[in-house]
Amino acid sequence: AQKITQTQPGMFVQEKEAVTLDCTYDTSDPSYGLFWYKQPSSGEMIFLIYQGSYDQQNATEGRYSLNFQKARKSANLVISASQLGDSAMYFCAMREATGSARQLTFGSGTQLTVLP
Amino acid sequence: DGGITQSPKYLFRKEGQNVTLSCEQNLNHDAMYWYRQDPGQGLRLIYYSQIVNDFQKGDIAEGYSVSREKKESFPLTVTSAQKNPTAFYLCASSRGIRAGYTEAFFGQGTRLTVV
Repeated sequence: AQKITQTQPGMFVQEKEAVTLDCTYDTSDPSYGLFWYKQPSSGEMIFLIYQGSYDQQNATEGRYSLNFQKARKSANLVISASQLGDSAMYFCAMREATGSARQLTFGSGTQLTVLP
Repeated sequence: DGGITQSPKYLFRKEGQNVTLSCEQNLNHDAMYWYRQDPGQGLRLIYYSQIVNDFQKGDIAEGYSVSREKKESFPLTVTSAQKNPTAFYLCASSRGIRAGYTEAFFGQGTRLTVV
């Protein structure tokens, strides 16, 4: 079963508008962390934001915020005031407490295009 | 500046050859990882290492090998046994398990093509 599901292969947004990128996850572990990364066409992975499973408040980092709904197991990324430079691939990822590696498990990504 | 350096950026391999991808970090991180990314796909874990002289297979380890002789270095060898090695390879590092759920930092990647 997929641990991280991103159902939007591609999204378009007008410059200066807000956009929400969806992410649902599957885990039976009560302790986990959720991450969002941005991958521009150059290929590097840029860390954007983190949410812990026990965090009471939604995480925010500048124009990025994470809409964390634990009961629904969703961790959507909200980008406010979109800029042309936001055009990139966006990945949702999770670390679980179980497993010795605690490696990041990634979703398949959403390609975001910001239109001028 | 602290970070992760992967080299080379582009690599071409002939059929039947082994090639080694370099990954070096100066972040003093205990954990290091290798991921493979195919076009339009997410990242899949090849190998990981939590500490020097120890490493474990990830989800798609067949046809790959690694070593971790130094904390800073985690090279990946793509062997001739890997039947479809053309892909984008990303190396990452993070603080160890005891540091909790910290983010992973990534290198710039190596694009490997079989010719």
